[in-house]
Amino acid sequence: QSALTQPASVSGSPGQSITISCTGTSSDIGGYNYVSWYQQHPGKAPKHMISDVSKRPSGVSNRFSGSKSGNTASLTISGLQAEDEAHYYCSSYTSSSIVLFGGGTKLTVL
Amino acid sequence: EVQLLESGGGLVQPGGSLRLSCAASGFTFSSYSMSWVRQAPGKGLEWVSGIDGGDGSTYYADSVKGRFTISRDTSKNTLYLQMNNLRAEDTAVFYCVKGRYQPDYWGRGTLVTVSS
Repeated sequence: QSALTQPASVSGSPGQSITISCTGTSSDIGGYNYVSWYQQHPGKAPKHMISDVSKRPSGVSNRFSGSKSGNTASLTISGLQAEDEAHYYCSSYTSSSIVLFGGGTKLTVL
Repeated sequence: EVQLLESGGGLVQPGGSLRLSCAASGFTFSSYSMSWVRQAPGKGLEWVSGIDGGDGSTYYADSVKGRFTISRDTSKNTLYLQMNNLRAEDTAVFYCVKGRYQPDYWGRGTLVTVSS
């Protein structure tokens, strides 16, 4: 039950786009479309940003988008804003009937 | 509006027990799967346990299997996590979350500290 693999940090300037990757295996990301992304600001609970690989829950900005290719999922944030600075986590349902999270990626808006 | 309110956290000695509760409102509790997710201080998220909304089937991470028990009381719209034989590495904020495959709504969390 190893965590999904995410880069520890990414950064970008306001207005730019960034992409965060999340790599798993055929037993999780590659085998299911139950991939989600979460945003977490310091001291706050995570917020659900993307479900089913690419669907945005109601109220989430369309600057956030998700995709998947093989065993790797990706979150893209376009038009970076200062308030996007946070930790981002991916998750996937697995063949073991459990959920795995990625280790988290700290996004810094320069 | 979906609301999840955890309670029951606190300081416990290694080997001790604690029961967390989560009061749910704003949705038909009995129809939805629920889960517990934890976050150790300064660390990432770890899924701990889940319970199905239909038949109440339960699921656990290997790290807590045999020590933690998830349950629910649909008459009280409340989710529970019974934690036994607690270890220092169980120290974390425990979040109650709606959903099992893809948790969507999260509570604010309750801090569990295991220390002598």
